[in-house]
Amino acid sequence: DGGITQSPKYLFRKEGQNVTLSCEQNLNHDAMYWYRQDPGQGLRLIYYSQIVNDFQKGDIAEGYSVSREKKESFPLTVTSAQKNPTAFYLCASSIVDGRAQEGYYGYTFGSGTRLTIV
Amino acid sequence: KQEVTQIPAALSVPEGENLVLNCSFTDSAIYNLQWFRQDPGKGLTSLLLIQSSQREQTSGRLNASLDKSSGRSTLYIAASQPGDSATYLCAVRPQGGNTPLVFGKGTRLSVIA
Repeated sequence: DGGITQSPKYLFRKEGQNVTLSCEQNLNHDAMYWYRQDPGQGLRLIYYSQIVNDFQKGDIAEGYSVSREKKESFPLTVTSAQKNPTAFYLCASSIVDGRAQEGYYGYTFGSGTRLTIV
Repeated sequence: KQEVTQIPAALSVPEGENLVLNCSFTDSAIYNLQWFRQDPGKGLTSLLLIQSSQREQTSGRLNASLDKSSGRSTLYIAASQPGDSATYLCAVRPQGGNTPLVFGKGTRLSVIA
């Protein structure tokens, strides 16, 4: 079955360490996204990518980095520069505008990674 | 900049009641609107998607409407059940340029048996 896989489900990081969250999709979607969710704040966009080897900053990109070397994969690195990284991180994918005839127009989300600073 | 607001922030109803969740957005230039459900500690599950040219979509006991000109959408849940308890999120996809989804903060629903 097609879908998005995020790993790990839970992640613990010490102060000053970088950590990478994995996101893989087999939906053949061109676009992929990373959102951060904090209690009472809703989802905020960190980075997104519409094509391999290209990505754009979202609203809260500071302290994060991404890569898009393969269509299926969009890993997120939380660097030591991110001052308050404890949160729930969600990855999503979609087809891009103009290719709606190829299938479902909406976003598909992974099950999330909960990152905690210890 | 597009902003999405959901009212109420939390709602508690007895089992069997019909209920309406509200979503409003500031810019009517949207590509589509999507309603999601989120259970505690889980990812988002898509419930309904309405393209900008559509007025409503239905799936089982759920019905979502869209009034693009007034910047409003509603999610109607018929005959609510305890299993409907979750947070419901509304998101709009702005028109053009593959702009990412903009989310509301959600409505936390509790259905009491």
